[in-house]
Amino acid sequence: GAGVSQSPSNKVTEKGKDVELRCDPISGHTALYWYRQSLGQGLEFLIYFQGNSAPDKSGLPSDRFSAERTGGSVSTLTIQRTQQEDSAVYLCASSFRPNQPQHFGDGTRLSIL
Amino acid sequence: DQQVKQNSPSLSVQEGRISILNCDYTNSMFDYFLWYKKYPAEGPTFLISISSIKDKNEDGRFTVFLNKSAKHLSLHIVPSQPGDSAVYFCAVSIQGAQKLVFGQGTRLTINP
Repeated sequence: GAGVSQSPSNKVTEKGKDVELRCDPISGHTALYWYRQSLGQGLEFLIYFQGNSAPDKSGLPSDRFSAERTGGSVSTLTIQRTQQEDSAVYLCASSFRPNQPQHFGDGTRLSIL
Repeated sequence: DQQVKQNSPSLSVQEGRISILNCDYTNSMFDYFLWYKKYPAEGPTFLISISSIKDKNEDGRFTVFLNKSAKHLSLHIVPSQPGDSAVYFCAVSIQGAQKLVFGQGTRLTINP
């Protein structure tokens, strides 16, 4: 596709369940990023991938959060044992190379009941 | 502590006039600066960027100014159009660090 694709666009789940969020970056982009935006907050960095490696995981808020990237393309962000404070819009971005502008998908709106 | 601040939560400008959005940062190590525009229910859209070796970058109606001594950047939109109504985020990074640090955003409304 032409842009960064994220799925699902919306996810509602019960507290304690696990969720998986998917990101399909722009074709040819080697760098991939996850951010989240909680209600009333700015965008907050979570993790950065270069190829399949994650040199910077410093933004992951707890060990319930993990992410992987396979084939240098699709990435999955997994949240285990979800809590209400995990409710946010999760945004994925990609760039052709590091230090290039990041291009964002439309996000996954996650609601934890 | 907020490393990037957009002190105006909202701004209203008449169509055809200049819109000026401001952003302040605290860390002098930041050396790459970007502006994004965001419509509701969409992801941020990249507008324009500038590196610390420059003090101005222009792209059509959009110009970004960087004042390193004041740790301040601004985005000028001229002339403003109704389609420019959106939330604008400034973002900063340290080259090599990859992650962007975002401001809280300014909601720009262009009035006909």
